[in-house]
This record gives sequence, structure tokens and C-alpha cells, in this order.
Amino acid sequence: EAQVTQNPRYLITVTGKKLTVTCSQNMNHEYMSWYRQDPGLGLRQIYYSMNVEVTDKGDVPEGYKVSRKEKRNFPLILESPSPNQTSLYFCASRVTGGRNTEAFFGQGTRLTVV
Amino acid sequence: QKEVEQNSGPLSVPEGAIASLNCTYSDRGSQSFFWYRQYSGKSPELIMFIYSNGDKEDGRFTAQLNKASQYVSLLIRDSQPSDSATYLCAVNENSWGKLQFGAGTQVVVTP
Repeated sequence: EAQVTQNPRYLITVTGKKLTVTCSQNMNHEYMSWYRQDPGLGLRQIYYSMNVEVTDKGDVPEGYKVSRKEKRNFPLILESPSPNQTSLYFCASRVTGGRNTEAFFGQGTRLTVV
Repeated sequence: QKEVEQNSGPLSVPEGAIASLNCTYSDRGSQSFFWYRQYSGKSPELIMFIYSNGDKEDGRFTAQLNKASQYVSLLIRDSQPSDSATYLCAVNENSWGKLQFGAGTQVVVTP
């Protein structure tokens, strides 16, 4: 089954404690991205990756890091989480190129930073 | 900042009626357009995409695109309570992958 898997689904952490949210896809997609979703603001892109070892900032990258060492994995790292990073996070993947390639989303990670 | 605008709603629709959702975008170079449905706390799921001017129908859903006016719309015919969700408009800004999302329109179908 084609899927994007995120872990954990729910996470409560304290300010400043480093955390990693994992994302893995089994569709051999080149393009992967991370979004955060906040009420009234929709999905905003944090970082994206066009392929292994190729990553770049999205619209709201501050306070986040990513890596892409393998094609299937794209972890999101919060080195020193702050309360304003409390949000619902989604990982997505899609084929690069073409007009009509669907973005597949993970199940989401609800992060609370206290 | 390239923008995708949607009316946040909620859009209240009687069961069996047509729900009409609109989306405008700022980047004239945008190539393709997607409508996603998202239930509360769940991940977005693709309903349909469109890239040519005009209408595209898929079951009870019809997407309409007008590139000259820079808007795309979604019609939901014979609305059902299960259609109650937030509908996200997404615009493919370029050929290599970035989707720019609107904030979404909440639809509430009332029995």
C-alpha cells in the first residue's frame, strides 16, 4: 500500500528539549516536504527536499532542520522547541515534475510544546 | 509571497443542495490546481485536480478553472453530511513540486 508514515502521532514536550519527527514514504518519490497547519493559516511549508541530499527552506523554516540521507526518509528536527511551534505537522511526498502529480500526506503529528 | 485565497466559511449547505467553493491565486504562472478535503484532525486527501480552463467533473464534484481571472472553484452536488469537512485549494507553482495551499473553506452540510 502506498503511504507516508509519520511518527509520533502525538507529542507533548517541554521548551528546549530537542525532538525529531520521522517521515517515511514507500513510493520512491523524489519530492518530500513538511508543512505545519495552524487555525486560519492553512498549510504552510517548512522545508522541502527535491531528492537525496537536496533540501531547501519553505515559507516558515525558522526553528526547524531537516535532512535527506535516504530517498524514503525525511525527518523534521526541532533543536530547541518553543511554544510557538505547537502545531499540527504533516509530511508529504510527490513525484517531481508533471502537472498533475498528487501529494500524499502522512497521518499528521500533533505537537504541543509547554 | 504568492498567495492562494479562500473564504474561510463556515459554508452551511442543506443536505441535497449544491455547495460552491471558490479559490483565487496570485501567480499567473501557476500550472495546475488541486482540491483536497480534510476532516478535522486528519490528513488532506485529494478530491481532484484541474489544469485546463473550463470544467472537470468527477462524480458529484466539478472543478472549474478560469486562468484569465485567476480563480478555481469546486462544486459539490447533492451534498451529504459526510461532505462536512474543510476543503483546501492548492496551486502548483512550478513543475518540480511545490504546492501553495489556501487556508481552506469549512463546509457544514445540515440534514
